[in-house]
Amino acid sequence: GQNIDQPTEMTATEGAIVQINCTYQTSGFNGLFWYQQHAGEAPTFLSYNVLDGLEEKGRFSSFLSRSKGYSYLLLKELQMKDSASYLCAVRDRDYKLSFGAGTTVTVRA
Amino acid sequence: GAVVSQHPSWVICKSGTSVKIECRSLDFQATTMFWYRQFPKQSLMLMATSNEGSKATYEQGVEKDKFLINHASLTLSTLTVTSAHPEDSSFYICSTERGNTEAFFGQGTRLTVV
Repeated sequence: GQNIDQPTEMTATEGAIVQINCTYQTSGFNGLFWYQQHAGEAPTFLSYNVLDGLEEKGRFSSFLSRSKGYSYLLLKELQMKDSASYLCAVRDRDYKLSFGAGTTVTVRA
Repeated sequence: GAVVSQHPSWVICKSGTSVKIECRSLDFQATTMFWYRQFPKQSLMLMATSNEGSKATYEQGVEKDKFLINHASLTLSTLTVTSAHPEDSSFYICSTERGNTEAFFGQGTRLTVV
């Protein structure tokens, strides 16, 4: 089966930077996604990486290294509304998405 | 605006009854729809993939006779939980993709079986 690991919880202060790491072992690779999910709601799309390197989108950036099976999501200038669960998901060779268990980020004032 | 519309958002049903969840793609044709289930504090688990006009493909361990999926048109896919039991209580979410780079999720359905 697919194996996607990310930390369970992280806490940071408003205005700070947080980096959420994700490592994966999957049968094939067709892209890596990051999603934000607030409690009781559906996930919302944040970023997509299929080539190595950094993708920047405003306060959020995502990095991918395919050779290392590694990605991170960088959240800058943290705001209280960023408190949520962040899901790393990898699309395998069959184009199916497998999700990590999610990292709950708590932003404190 | 929303790309995928899922209804209902909440449903409480009695044990033994069936519940239908609808997922509609808005403004585009969804050839493929994915159905996920998420238990509290756990990740999304793919249940099945539905393709318009053909039978759904179920993941290992998912009973096809219990979770009936119909994808009769390019804009509508439905998941029916038949003879629901308390252990079926979960958060069910549909998803589709536009192109290869974006996946869109419905709002999710919180099912509680009492």
